[in-house]
Amino acid sequence: KQEVTQIPAALSVPEGENLVLNCSFTDSAIYNLQWFRQDPGKGLTSLLLIQSSQREQTSGRLNASLDKSSGRSTLYIAASQPGDSATYLCAVILSGGSNYKLTFGKGTLLTVNP
Amino acid sequence: ETGVTQTPRHLVMGMTNKKSLKCEQHLGHNAMYWYKQSAKKPLELMFVYSLEERVENNSVPSRFSPECPNSSHLFLHLHTLQPEDSALYLCASSQRVSETQYFGPGTRLLVL
Repeated sequence: KQEVTQIPAALSVPEGENLVLNCSFTDSAIYNLQWFRQDPGKGLTSLLLIQSSQREQTSGRLNASLDKSSGRSTLYIAASQPGDSATYLCAVILSGGSNYKLTFGKGTLLTVNP
Repeated sequence: ETGVTQTPRHLVMGMTNKKSLKCEQHLGHNAMYWYKQSAKKPLELMFVYSLEERVENNSVPSRFSPECPNSSHLFLHLHTLQPEDSALYLCASSQRVSETQYFGPGTRLLVL
């Protein structure tokens, strides 16, 4: 059974700081990995999707890396802003028959202080 | 939020009530999903529909009954729920299964 762990559970940083969020998964036979953002009481917004054959994806100030063999991904946020405050969720899809089933971590609650 | 919409946004119901949650996607996608998000637990996949056929029923109690009349609409019919069913219910869609999923804003459900 695939399990996804995110560390830390919560993170508070001053504005302007660069930061890294971590995600680990137990089964390395993944199809892809996604990072989402969730604002309080709201739905999820997809940030980045990394296919299993890729090592990283970038979008603006965000960079996500994937190391399948070690079962790890990181989300790097450069020059953080108060508007980045949200919960960040990592999710993976396993290869094979059920390649639609996203398994989520519990998320990292990020607070960026002005 | 215009891509995937959910109604109602908030719902309070008693354990003997029957209600339905509605999801509509305006993205031309072929797959739709229901998720449950409880406090301090990871999101849990409940149901998956691809081309209006159910492809996943993730051991969900029968008091939750999904319906997908067409590729743009997804319903979750609720009856005789329990207080532990209180949660945020999220709908999502994707062009095909395994591709990027786009989420609606969710329905916050409270069962008394």
